[in-house]
Amino acid sequence: EPEVTQTPSHQVTQMGQEVILRCVPISNHLYFYWYRQILGQKVEFLVSFYNNEISEKSEIFDDQFSVERPDGSNFTLKIRSTKLEDSAMYFCARGGGTSNQPQHFGDGTRLSIL
Amino acid sequence: QKEVEQDPGPLSVPEGAIVSLNCTYSNSAFQYFMWYRQYSRKGPELLMYTYSSGNKEDGRFTAQVDKSSKYISLFIRDSQPSDSATYLCAMRSSGGSYIPTFGRGTSLIVHP
Repeated sequence: EPEVTQTPSHQVTQMGQEVILRCVPISNHLYFYWYRQILGQKVEFLVSFYNNEISEKSEIFDDQFSVERPDGSNFTLKIRSTKLEDSAMYFCARGGGTSNQPQHFGDGTRLSIL
Repeated sequence: QKEVEQDPGPLSVPEGAIVSLNCTYSNSAFQYFMWYRQYSRKGPELLMYTYSSGNKEDGRFTAQVDKSSKYISLFIRDSQPSDSATYLCAMRSSGGSYIPTFGRGTSLIVHP
């Protein structure tokens, strides 16, 4: 049983549209992460979020992307003006009580851009 | 040279075999090493988490780290068809960024 729940499991969107991917932790955690995995490629870090603020982001996480925790529970990744190359699995992960702990992943959202 | 190298496989073994999965890395600052198992269309599931060199055992799984050679291994004893999955290694340093670097994963097939 994953420790974070991601919705939707599969999202199909037209190129240029905005998508919002959601992550709900099973219990209260401070550290959250978004990763993506393009088919056949390795897991790539996008952004980390600690105490409701971005703590680190990769070069992939440009102005097209944003993260929020709008209600203190759900954790969202928004992708504006989607491109074909945004098609991938997007994983939310939660950290442990400290940044030293390993990350535990959700089952992901499969994003397909047409 | 890529930071973390992992043979994508597939590695096909008969049920009951001992499986050895490996990763090499180039960054000598890596101190924390993880192995994740990923079933098709699922998220990575943490199997083993080790710090620095040495061995760690958990049931049928043993993780081994050789920092002098920059080489880590995951051994699976008495492999089962349910072990068929992609195995990802990941590693990170103890300071600075806490974000792990992942290998591409090795696809394992255990056939009955």
